[in-house]
Amino acid sequence: DVKVTQSSRYLVKRTGEKVFLECVQDMDHENMFWYRQDPGLGLRLIYFSYDVKMKEKGDIPEGYSVSREKKERFSLILESASTNQTSMYLCANGDRALGLGSYTFGSGTRLTVV
Amino acid sequence: GEDVEQSLFLSVREGDSSVINCTYTDSSSTYLYWYKQEPGAGLQLLTYIFSNMDMKQDQRLTVLLNKKDKHLSLRIADTQTGDSAIYFCAESFTGGGNKLTFGTGTQLKVEL
Repeated sequence: DVKVTQSSRYLVKRTGEKVFLECVQDMDHENMFWYRQDPGLGLRLIYFSYDVKMKEKGDIPEGYSVSREKKERFSLILESASTNQTSMYLCANGDRALGLGSYTFGSGTRLTVV
Repeated sequence: GEDVEQSLFLSVREGDSSVINCTYTDSSSTYLYWYKQEPGAGLQLLTYIFSNMDMKQDQRLTVLLNKKDKHLSLRIADTQTGDSAIYFCAESFTGGGNKLTFGTGTQLKVEL
């Protein structure tokens, strides 16, 4: 089974801090994604990557950046955390061989910015 | 852009059938999906349907697709307490690469 591991389940950070959310997969999958989940809004795509050192903006990239230096690791960076970035963050990966949309999700990181 | 909508809540009695509905706006959808999120967990893929199909059945799950009305539904037969979760529909579409657009999610509560 493919595993997607997010380094923290819960984080509390202060406004203005730089925040790193880490995501690691244990299979050789090309595609990785970062979503945030908010009640009533569902999942919204922040950034995604189809390969090492490659990144593409999703629907809500403002205030975020990403890093993909190795195939197995995809990091989400909040340059200067703000209270409106309090949310559940979900990382996912997908293998093109499994077909479109066959994502494996991590358990999520619940981030609170105070 | 794409927009996928679901009702927020559904409550059913154990043993009854549940029907979760979803509407989408992108007519170029290629696949449509149902994901399940249990409390404190990430999402897991339940089932998917190719856009040229009308129906797909998988054990207790039946997916119906009305492409003309852009309406997708998930029917869960003999609903159990373990089915209590948030259910998300999602679509991928031609030219969208491997990205998914998710709906707002439906919280299913199964009562005894």
